[in-house]
Amino acid sequence: DAGVIQSPRHEVTEMGQEVTLRCKPISGHDYLFWYRQTMMRGLELLIYFNNNVPIDDSGMPEDRFSAKMPNASFSTLKIQPSEPRDSAVYFCASSFGDTRGYTFGSGTRLTVV
Amino acid sequence: GENVEQHPSTLSVQEGDSAVIKCTYSDSASNYFPWYKQELGKRPQLIIDIRSNVGEKKDQRIAVTLNKTAKHFSLHITETQPEDSAVYFCAQRGGSNYKLTFGKGTLLTVNP
Repeated sequence: DAGVIQSPRHEVTEMGQEVTLRCKPISGHDYLFWYRQTMMRGLELLIYFNNNVPIDDSGMPEDRFSAKMPNASFSTLKIQPSEPRDSAVYFCASSFGDTRGYTFGSGTRLTVV
Repeated sequence: GENVEQHPSTLSVQEGDSAVIKCTYSDSASNYFPWYKQELGKRPQLIIDIRSNVGEKKDQRIAVTLNKTAKHFSLHITETQPEDSAVYFCAQRGGSNYKLTFGKGTLLTVNP
């Protein structure tokens, strides 16, 4: 298995632009999580899905952030409009039920200038 | 609540010494406690985990202990090596959901 695949690896964008981050979970995993990592706040859960359905989006910072999971093999996290404070590494992770911990993707390093 | 407090934030040891990182949690229903290692610029990777019905678990040079009464769990690394240098995160999962709440991390430096 190729693991959790995220794209792009790096994204530099100007303030006000729309940013879309993509994630392909491990095949067969039924949970998908989006985390944001910064030095100040550590690893923060933004939203998670179970069987493609959003379960908890209480960590989504504000209406500028949205996430979708149209099928079991693909999810997107969109920021519109982006702001410099959104600069962070965004990780996607997936798991199969509660049998083990998550498997993380390689992350997307987002820089908003 | 689902807070996890992790200490220390930085830890420096000599190669061959032991390292211990501690975490405390507040949700008495928490039932799963993994530890992740994150090398610079890379993804967090699961290194060991423990469930609430177990007090201790070992895997070669690493071990995790859980004290449910005191609501704390610890990571122990013995015979440390320079390649153990990384940021280590503890996490816990509450009893009512599948999301993991992470500690703030411990930067471990093993000096040769």
